[in-house]
Parts: sequence; structure tokens; C-alpha cells
Amino acid sequence: EIVMTQSPATLSVSPGERATLSCRATQSVNNNLAWYQQKPGQAPRLLISGASTRATGVPARFSGSESGTEFTLTISSLQSEDFAVYFCQQYYNWPRTFGQGTKVEIK
Amino acid sequence: QVQLVESGGGVVQPGRSLRLSCAASGFTFSNYAMHWVRQAPGKGLEWVAVISYDGTNEYYGDSVKGRFTISRDNSKNTLYVQMNSLRAEDTAVYYCARDNGHFGFCDYWGQGALVTVSA
Repeated sequence: EIVMTQSPATLSVSPGERATLSCRATQSVNNNLAWYQQKPGQAPRLLISGASTRATGVPARFSGSESGTEFTLTISSLQSEDFAVYFCQQYYNWPRTFGQGTKVEIK
Repeated sequence: QVQLVESGGGVVQPGRSLRLSCAASGFTFSNYAMHWVRQAPGKGLEWVAVISYDGTNEYYGDSVKGRFTISRDNSKNTLYVQMNSLRAEDTAVYYCARDNGHFGFCDYWGQGALVTVSA
């Protein structure tokens, strides 16, 4: 099983600042990496697939990148609606696995 | 627009069974693989199972293999998960989600159904 490790667990950021979230896989996932956003009481929402392709309707301030088994989600200028929990997921191997999540909170 | 609505959640005793349903609309259900993903209270996401568009292939997470069965009825645009031998650790919100089309990521999610396993 591929283990996905996200860091940090919690990120405190001021509105308008940049947020950088990390996700590391224990082996190659060949860019088969998705990011999801989840707000309290809501279902997850797809943000990014293929490590860097934004889903329909996702603002351009969200971007994804990869370097080997390390993946990064960057939110360039945090808006109030971006404070949420973010999960990464690999869909390269069975079973599909998620990271434990990063909570982005208001500083 | 794509809509996924789960139903069938509730409180069940350990060792008993429960079946969840997910009614799909707004897209051609029979063209897409479908997933179940769960989330224990206050915890992260755990992938449970996926079924191919035509129901001929299924994959399961290790923690539910042999106890849960995913199925679908394309004539009714409905996804199911039959959960047997339930344990306290199966307590979670269960989400159904549409696959992007290649046994990959989940592009649309339902609002979830809460299953509580408790004596």
C-alpha cells in the first residue's frame, strides 16, 4: 500500500497570504495525484488532478506541482472561503489512499 | 448538474448488516465507474471500494475486503454497498463519488450517509 503523508497537520495563514501544503508518497505514483478541499459539514470537492490540472471552476490561485514523490498544493493569496481541510490522494495503485489532511486555519 | 444522493444510513449493532444506496442523476450513470469513500468522525478520508461502469470489476480497501460488497443497477441509476459483519470502527460518513472515467480520482461527491455501529 502506498502511504501518503501530508504536512503540516495545521497551517495558520492570514488572509491574502500564500499557503503551501505538502504531500509525500512512499513510492512513485506517476503523477496520479489529486487534491480535495473539504469544509466543515460538507463533502470533499475536487481541486486538482494529475498533480497539476485544476478541476472545472477552481480558481487560478490554486496550483499543484510535483517533484518525484513530493507534491505541493499552493494557494497564492488566501481568501476567506479557502479556510478548510485539504487532502491528497493517489490513484496509481490499489488500494487508493489518502493523506491524513492539512487544516488551513485563519491566523 | 451531477447529483449523488446517499440513503440507508443509521444505527446498527456490531455484527449486523446494512445496505447503503446512492441515487445518481444529471449524467449517464452507466458510463462511469463509481466509488465509496468513508470518513470516521473527526478523521480523514478512507477509500472503501470502486466498481466499473458495467459492474464487471470491483476493488476494495483492505479493511473492508470480504465484508463489504459494492454493486450497481444501471437501469435504476443507483450504486449500492452491502456492509456485513459491521464493527465499531466502520462508524463513519459514507460518501458515494463518481470516478473521472479511468478508475482514477473522484470528480463529484454526494453529501454522505452516516453509519453508526453501536450496541
